[in-house]
Amino acid sequence: GDSVTQMEGPVTLSEEAFLTINCTYTATGYPSLFWYVQYPGEGLQLLLKATKADDKGSNKGFEATYRKETTSFHLEKGSVQVSDSAVYFCALSVNTGRRALTFGSGTRLQVQP
Amino acid sequence: DTAVSQTPKYLVTQMGNDKSIKCEQNLGHDTMYWYKQDSKKFLKIMFSYNNKELIINETVPNRFSPKSPDKAHLNLHINSLELGDSAVYFCASSQERGRRGTDTQYFGPGTRLTVL
Repeated sequence: GDSVTQMEGPVTLSEEAFLTINCTYTATGYPSLFWYVQYPGEGLQLLLKATKADDKGSNKGFEATYRKETTSFHLEKGSVQVSDSAVYFCALSVNTGRRALTFGSGTRLQVQP
Repeated sequence: DTAVSQTPKYLVTQMGNDKSIKCEQNLGHDTMYWYKQDSKKFLKIMFSYNNKELIINETVPNRFSPKSPDKAHLNLHINSLELGDSAVYFCASSQERGRRGTDTQYFGPGTRLTVL
């Protein structure tokens, strides 16, 4: 079946540090890939997405590139801020009629001033 | 002008009770979902409806029954609540695009259910 594996958290960084959160996937079809962010006490917001190989999704300084050869979609940001502290979820959706999102376990990011 | 809304935001109830959570979307989407987030933040699909038709029904106890009166609404009714039902329940919606797949899913703010 489909699955998403994310690096375990929490990830603790100082402000302006470089961020990488690893995400790898297995899928029975050709998936679309997503990163969602959940700020404390809030729902999920789409951060970025990519729908085909070599696509790069980007938003708010975050980037992720769809790598079919390594089945990965790692999230990166060059300089994190305290306001980026949240839980980040990698997810996939496959066009096989099912179309629900399969989520990774989430990675908590804590940014210290 | 909230895109996906859920009520209530918090729900505290006793074991054995029956409760409902309502979801509405004003995005004009034709597909709606219910996800459950457990205490470890893990998210899992429960149900999905497309044009009021049930298309996903995961391994969920039959105490959980979704109802979609129209494309803009998907409610979740839970009978005989148990301690293990305590979680955050998220509603989401998207627009199907046929062979091109599914558009982005937009999530509601969540309903935190606590069963005592």
